Amino acid sequence: GEDVEQSLFLSVREGDSSVINCTYTDSSSTYLYWYKQEPGAGLQLLTYIFSNMDMKQDQRLTVLLNKKDKHLSLRIADTQTGDSAIYFCAESRGPAGTYKYIFGTGTRLKVLA
Amino acid sequence: GAVVSQHPSRVICKSGTSVKIECRSLDFQATTMFWYRQFPKQSLMLMATSNEGSKATYEQGVEKDKFLINHASLTLSTLTVTSAHPEDSSFYICSARDQGAGRETQYFGPGTRLLVL
Repeated sequence: GEDVEQSLFLSVREGDSSVINCTYTDSSSTYLYWYKQEPGAGLQLLTYIFSNMDMKQDQRLTVLLNKKDKHLSLRIADTQTGDSAIYFCAESRGPAGTYKYIFGTGTRLKVLA
Repeated sequence: GAVVSQHPSRVICKSGTSVKIECRSLDFQATTMFWYRQFPKQSLMLMATSNEGSKATYEQGVEKDKFLINHASLTLSTLTVTSAHPEDSSFYICSARDQGAGRETQYFGPGTRLLVL
């Protein structure tokens, strides 16, 4: 189908690692993104990965990409209460210059103190 | 990172009136901006792609006469919700593509919450 899918909820304890999963649909997507949305706010770009990469690490964030299975994940190490938010993955579709983003359904992360 | 602003942040209007929402890229030029709509506890739905100096490209199911988009300059796009009805109440988010970033990245505004009474 056309949907980019994510699990709806994730709850972790402070200090643990969080892993948020995403299944996308377009194998030709050049870039895949992770965004964070806090209540009542817009989207903050967390990180992105180019489609020819398997992994990207950026401080506490690790992105893993399995292109064969069209599976993307975001790992947050040492999760803090400030990480509580909704996390969206997004894939870029279309040729360069005319691409558009398709967002996943969002995963609501709750960090317990 | 690049900054995108939206104005107003919140608006309440009466049914039948029109509401204009502005989206500005503050420190970069954006030939392409995007308008999204987000319902409570749901994902972002792309409404249209706004192209500077040309007509917007609307997604399937989005009424172009209802949601007027004008991208008059490289830093400003506007979305006008015409003859608003309560079902138009939603969170509207714009984004702007930073071409200078050397990659295909969109930066998002903080959103505008529209409530139509």
